[in-house]
This record gives sequence, structure tokens and C-alpha cells, in this order.
Amino acid sequence: DGGITQSPKYLFRKEGQNVTLSCEQNLNHDAMYWYRQDPGQGLRLIYYSQIVNDFQKGDIAEGYSVSREKKESFPLTVTSAQKNPTAFYLCASRQTDTQYFGPGTRLTVL
Amino acid sequence: EDQVTQSPEALRLQEGESSSLNCSYTVSGLRGLFWYRQDPGKGPEFLFTLYSAGEEKEKERLKATLTKKESFLHITAPKPEDSATYLCAVTTSGTYKYIFGTGTRLKVLA
Repeated sequence: DGGITQSPKYLFRKEGQNVTLSCEQNLNHDAMYWYRQDPGQGLRLIYYSQIVNDFQKGDIAEGYSVSREKKESFPLTVTSAQKNPTAFYLCASRQTDTQYFGPGTRLTVL
Repeated sequence: EDQVTQSPEALRLQEGESSSLNCSYTVSGLRGLFWYRQDPGKGPEFLFTLYSAGEEKEKERLKATLTKKESFLHITAPKPEDSATYLCAVTTSGTYKYIFGTGTRLKVLA
């Protein structure tokens, strides 16, 4: 079955720690995206990558970092510089114009 | 500034009571408009892509339509399992970034 997987489903972080969220796809899509979802707000773009070894900042990239070393993988690191990281994080990949989303990771800062 | 607005924020329907959700957009150079369904704690599920005014897409009890200023998601004879948040997003010419609305929370009562 082709699809997008995100792990873990739930993640708890202490203040001052960096954490990495995993996103893997086997859809053979070139482009991948990371979004953050907060209650009452639309999805906000963190980073996106159109091709391996290339990525661009989205609207809210401060405090986050990414890498794209393989077509299948686009991990997101939430650094200690991110002031309010508690949120639901969504990864997506794109085929032509349409994005397809993973199941999400809920990050909570303790 | 490019913007997507969804209305109403929340909608309660009786089972079988048809209605429409609205997605209005102000963007320069619409390339595509997308509808997603999102269940609580899960990633958005792709429903439809619309490209040009006058276009319509149907899937089971859902029909999406597009004009030059807005899109409607018509729900015919809804069932309780149609309860979810419905998200609208657009992308514009020259970019593969997406702008999301804040969604409409639909509750269908048995």
C-alpha cells in the first residue's frame, strides 16, 4: 500500500530539547511539505522541498530545520529556539498539483 | 494578500438535511482549489481538485463546484459519518505553496 507515514503519533518534549519528527512516503513523489496546525487556524507552511537535496522556508520556519537526503524521507527537527512548539504537525507529499497528507504527529512541550 | 475564507465555521445538520459549505478566495492567478476532509486527530483526506470556473466534481454525497470567486461543497442527504472538518486550499500560478482556510466543522445528527 502506498502512502505517507509519520512517527511518532504522539511526542512529548521538555523545554530546551530538540526533537525530530519523521515523515516517510512510498508514493514516489518529488515534493514534500511540513505544516503546523493549531486550533482555529489554517494549516501553516513550515518548510517544503521540491526535490532531493533542496528545500525552502515556508511562512513560519523560525525554530525549525529540515533535511532532504532521500526522496522518500523529509524529517523535521523542532529546535529549542521554537517558542511555542506544542501543535499538530502534518507532512504531505505532492503529485502534480494535489497534496496528500500523512496521519500527523502531536507534539506537546512539558 | 492572497486569502482563503471558509464559512460557516461550524454547521449542525440533521441526517438527510442537505446543505452547502463555502470557500471564498482572493488570489492572483488561481491554479487549483482543493477540498479535504479531516477527522479529529488525523491528517486531511483528499476529496477534490478543481481548476477552472464552472468545473464540478462528485463523490458519493459530496459535490464540489467552482466559480471565479468561490467554491461550494454541497452535501446531499448527509449521514452521521459525514461529520468532520472540511478544509479548502488554493495554489496559485508560479508557486507550489498552498493557502488553507480555517475549515468548517460539520456535525450531522442522527
